[in-house]
Amino acid sequence: GAGVSQSPSNKVTEKGKDVELRCDPISGHTALYWYRQSLGQGLEFLIYFQGNSAPDKSGLPSDRFSAERTGGSVSTLTIQRTQQEDSAVYLCASSSTLIQGAKNIQYFGAGTRLSVL
Amino acid sequence: KQEVTQIPAALSVPEGENLVLNCSFTDSAIYNLQWFRQDPGKGLTSLLLIQSSQREQTSGRLNASLDKSSGRSTLYIAASQPGDSATYLCAVRMETSGSRLTFGEGTQLTVNP
Repeated sequence: GAGVSQSPSNKVTEKGKDVELRCDPISGHTALYWYRQSLGQGLEFLIYFQGNSAPDKSGLPSDRFSAERTGGSVSTLTIQRTQQEDSAVYLCASSSTLIQGAKNIQYFGAGTRLSVL
Repeated sequence: KQEVTQIPAALSVPEGENLVLNCSFTDSAIYNLQWFRQDPGKGLTSLLLIQSSQREQTSGRLNASLDKSSGRSTLYIAASQPGDSATYLCAVRMETSGSRLTFGEGTQLTVNP
């Protein structure tokens, strides 16, 4: 596609429910990233995928968070048993390469605003 | 752990002014530094990327500088316009942490007509 696409744009859920957030990266981009932007805080790295390599999950805040990337393209971020502190904007980004020396500019989607009541 | 700080948190200026946004980072072992713009309800747009070996980058009315040894970067905006109103984010990529970015909390800029 022309840009990184995320859905839904807004999601309201009740505490304790599971949610799935979707990211469709730019076609041909091999790297995909998830970040979280909470009110009053900067963007926090959550997870990234590069090709068929094992993902870097070091930013996931708890085991309630997981993500997968099917077929090297679309990614889904799943939050189980949501808590109010999970309320944030979840941003996805993609880039064309992780080859050392490349600029590796990350292109961001518009995000999913998650509200946990 | 890398920490990125942006000052000021918010800035309001009249149209036409030149302005400087500041970014500092605690660990100088960076691979590159990027400045992004974020508009309400939208994603981030990359403005300028400076490699660790560079001192500055320019794009139109924007000029970003980098002093890696002192852990500082500035974004200079010349002749500001109301359309420049947005949140500006600074992010660093470390030499050893792959491509993950560490962001500052941003400077919210308002340019008044």
